[in-house]
Amino acid sequence: GAGVSQSPSNKVTEKGKDVELRCDPISGHTALYWYRQRLGQGLEFLIYFQGNSAPDKSGLPSDRFSAERTGESVSTLTIQRTQQEDSAVYLCASSLVPGGYYNEQFFGPGTRLTVL
Amino acid sequence: TQLLEQSPQFLSIQEGENLTVYCNSSSVFSSLQWYRQEPGEGPVLLVTVVTGGEVKKLKRLTFQFGDARKDSSLHITAAQPGDTGLYLCAGQTDSWGKLQFGAGTQVVVTP
Repeated sequence: GAGVSQSPSNKVTEKGKDVELRCDPISGHTALYWYRQRLGQGLEFLIYFQGNSAPDKSGLPSDRFSAERTGESVSTLTIQRTQQEDSAVYLCASSLVPGGYYNEQFFGPGTRLTVL
Repeated sequence: TQLLEQSPQFLSIQEGENLTVYCNSSSVFSSLQWYRQEPGEGPVLLVTVVTGGEVKKLKRLTFQFGDARKDSSLHITAAQPGDTGLYLCAGQTDSWGKLQFGAGTQVVVTP
């Protein structure tokens, strides 16, 4: 596909379980971002990858959250020992031009995570 | 605490009416973007403004960036049901594209 894809689209898990969310960015996009969107709220920055540079992890809410990216392709966001407050939509975005002012981020449809 | 404050949080209007959404901050941004998000989808970029005082028009949508680059507004003229969605402003403060998002304004336009 031409756009950013994410899987699964929905994930229901039990408190304490680990989950892994996947993002396939647009081919050729060097920058990749993860955001969290709680119900009725805006997007909360989690982590940013750019090429081979060290990722910007400044938005990760706790050490239960981690993310990896293989080169300039797929990224996975892992949440360990999930808590009910982790329930949210997790959005991935990629961009062609990592810097500059006209940095258009293309978003995937998100993964809706529900922790019971 | 949101770095960017959007108002109002919710707006319901009739088709043909005008509306304005505001995005305010105490911080200065190098650029500011407006996105629209529909249910079950990710946000889609509408516009990027960079220069203080800049005004951009996209059909019936008019975007303005404040002179001090701390605030912005989105004005929709003669709203249509297709304008329904969550409007998000996002400010960029660094050179790497990391965005700070507002909480969004939910706009509902009824026929």
